[in-house]
Amino acid sequence: QVQLEQSGAEVQKPRASVKVSCKASGFMLKDYFMHWVRQVPGQGLEWMGWINPKNGDTNYAQKFQSRVTLTRDTSINTVYMELRRLKYDDTAIYYCARRLPSIAVAGAYWYLDVWGRGTLVTVSS
Amino acid sequence: DIQMTQSPSSLSASVGDRITITCRASQTISNYLNWYRQRPGKAPEVLIYAASSLEGGVPSRFSGSGSGTDFTLTISSLQAEDFATYFCQQSYSTPYTFGQGTKLQIK
Repeated sequence: QVQLEQSGAEVQKPRASVKVSCKASGFMLKDYFMHWVRQVPGQGLEWMGWINPKNGDTNYAQKFQSRVTLTRDTSINTVYMELRRLKYDDTAIYYCARRLPSIAVAGAYWYLDVWGRGTLVTVSS
Repeated sequence: DIQMTQSPSSLSASVGDRITITCRASQTISNYLNWYRQRPGKAPEVLIYAASSLEGGVPSRFSGSGSGTDFTLTISSLQAEDFATYFCQQSYSTPYTFGQGTKLQIK
């Protein structure tokens, strides 16, 4: 069964960092780009970036460029999202999601077909 | 950044109704447009990709159309599980922005 299991909820103080994990099962991470999207509860979706788990290449939204790092550990089929210098308005649900088609498939159209359940990160003093 | 604007922001309808949601891009995105449904407390799930292609397993009551800057999502006969929030997303250029969402509520 194809699924993404994310780490549990976090509470962090302003200016601290948080690292969220996303473990894949039922498929090999190295075959798919993985994206991260966040959502302030009750609000819209915000794309943060992607990682190519095969070679570690990343692409970040400019808004997060200086504070976010996406990494992977293919030996345990897991990707990570680290967000530094947390602010109160970083309080949100953070999702990882798999991009289709796979890396091996040429073509321009893509979408996010499998999502994790989300990790709530609360920034509070 | 490409801005995606959905209308309406909210919509009330009944089971069996036909509804249409519109998504407009601030610049042309060809047909690099995806639609997602998000049920309360759940992650989004893809319905339509490349503006009009139905994702496998998604019921045929969902359809998408459009190209360039204007797109629509139509649900031909609403079912109970369709009362949720819908988002469009452009997959044309980074950052891959989403619309603000359309909340579909039971009348």
